[in-house]
Amino acid sequence: SQTIHQWPATLVQPVGSPLSLECTVEGTSNPNLYWYRQAAGRGLQLLFYSVGIGQISSEVPQNLSASRPQDRQFILSSKKLLLSDSGFYLCAWSPPLGRAQDTQYFGPGTRLTVL
Amino acid sequence: LAKTTQPISMDSYEGQEVNITCSHNNIATNDYITWYQQFPSQGPRFIIQGYKTKVTNEVASLFIPADRKSSTLSLPRVSLSDTAVYYCLVGDRYNFNKFYFGSGTKLNVKP
Repeated sequence: SQTIHQWPATLVQPVGSPLSLECTVEGTSNPNLYWYRQAAGRGLQLLFYSVGIGQISSEVPQNLSASRPQDRQFILSSKKLLLSDSGFYLCAWSPPLGRAQDTQYFGPGTRLTVL
Repeated sequence: LAKTTQPISMDSYEGQEVNITCSHNNIATNDYITWYQQFPSQGPRFIIQGYKTKVTNEVASLFIPADRKSSTLSLPRVSLSDTAVYYCLVGDRYNFNKFYFGSGTKLNVKP
């Protein structure tokens, strides 16, 4: 069966510090990968998605970036965090192209607080 | 990509049946309708999916009229643990989806 991991679970960082969140998927090959952010009491905002190694698409221009160095690894980064980067970050995967594209599976999330 | 519209919030009492309706007027031929449930500090999880008519599983039922411009998620006999945010999404089963989640419907189940 497939599983998705995210770490760290919680993170408190000062403004201006760097960020690195990691997501890994097990049990599937060439998944589509996604990063979302959820502000308190709000819906999910799609940040980045990837259909393959090194292929990253950005949905929202901001000070965040994403990378996919391996097939089942997705990393969210920032060089300098802003207060507005606080939120709940979720990684998700969906089946690779060529299979049914209708369902996503989410990781446990990372709660980021920028002070 | 078809946009969805849902009520922002709903209140219910334990033991009642809850129906949450989603509007998706611009749904495309290849689009499926999927509902997710999200508890606080967790990622959304799949509840049910359908294309037309009625789908039922151990958790919920999904009713889709013939024109497919709306759908209704039905939760039978809700309990306090059903308090969550429910999202309706439409997406193409055969092509890549970006999975845009709206604000969802916050269901508050009271004792």
